[in-house]
Amino acid sequence: GAVVSQHPSRVICKSGTSVKIECRSLDFQATTMFWYRQFPKQSLMLMATSNEGSKATYEQGVEKDKFLINHASLTLSTLTVTSAHPEDSSFYICSAFTRPNTEAFFGQGTRLTVV
Amino acid sequence: GESVGLHLPTLSVQEGDNSIINCAYSNSASDYFIWYKQESGKGPQFIIDIRSNMDKRQGQRVTVLLNKTVKHLSLQIAATQPGDSAVYFCAENINTGNQFYFGTGTSLTVIP
Repeated sequence: GAVVSQHPSRVICKSGTSVKIECRSLDFQATTMFWYRQFPKQSLMLMATSNEGSKATYEQGVEKDKFLINHASLTLSTLTVTSAHPEDSSFYICSAFTRPNTEAFFGQGTRLTVV
Repeated sequence: GESVGLHLPTLSVQEGDNSIINCAYSNSASDYFIWYKQESGKGPQFIIDIRSNMDKRQGQRVTVLLNKTVKHLSLQIAATQPGDSAVYFCAENINTGNQFYFGTGTSLTVIP
């Protein structure tokens, strides 16, 4: 299957700082990528849809000014958690598909810990 | 259909037995469904998918059943093995949106 890669896999940051997470499609072009957040022992919550060359679409309740998404190329989307707080500590996962309405491939996730 | 922040239900089965994991989806407009397996600290892995024009699909040791009338999916795993221990999620997709929304998930533990 197609490969989606995230970086970093783990990050620890101080409260009040910003953290950038990268999501790359390694062997295909992705005009659309998705960002999810997962708290321990819970399901994946869709945060936003990242669209190449245009603004991201955020799910209800997700602060767009806090979770900045940039999709500047067909193989890279970034999620920046701005002014991070301990409650932002979570597992962030991105996904992409090769064709609409087909299987979504997921990155390995990024464990963010804000101290 | 958005996922909800509920804690995961659990299922324990004996090695070699069959497992059945259930999922209720929320949007009657969803037309494509995937079962994913997630191991601790990793991203979800595709297991099997089914489209709304089907009610059953079989893969290797896995079968997915879809009941659109009651908006219910099930995943059957035959001869469950210790390596099957993981959290299983169903995800629903609406063709017009391309987003996948995840169900609550079930934590499967296989007892050797």
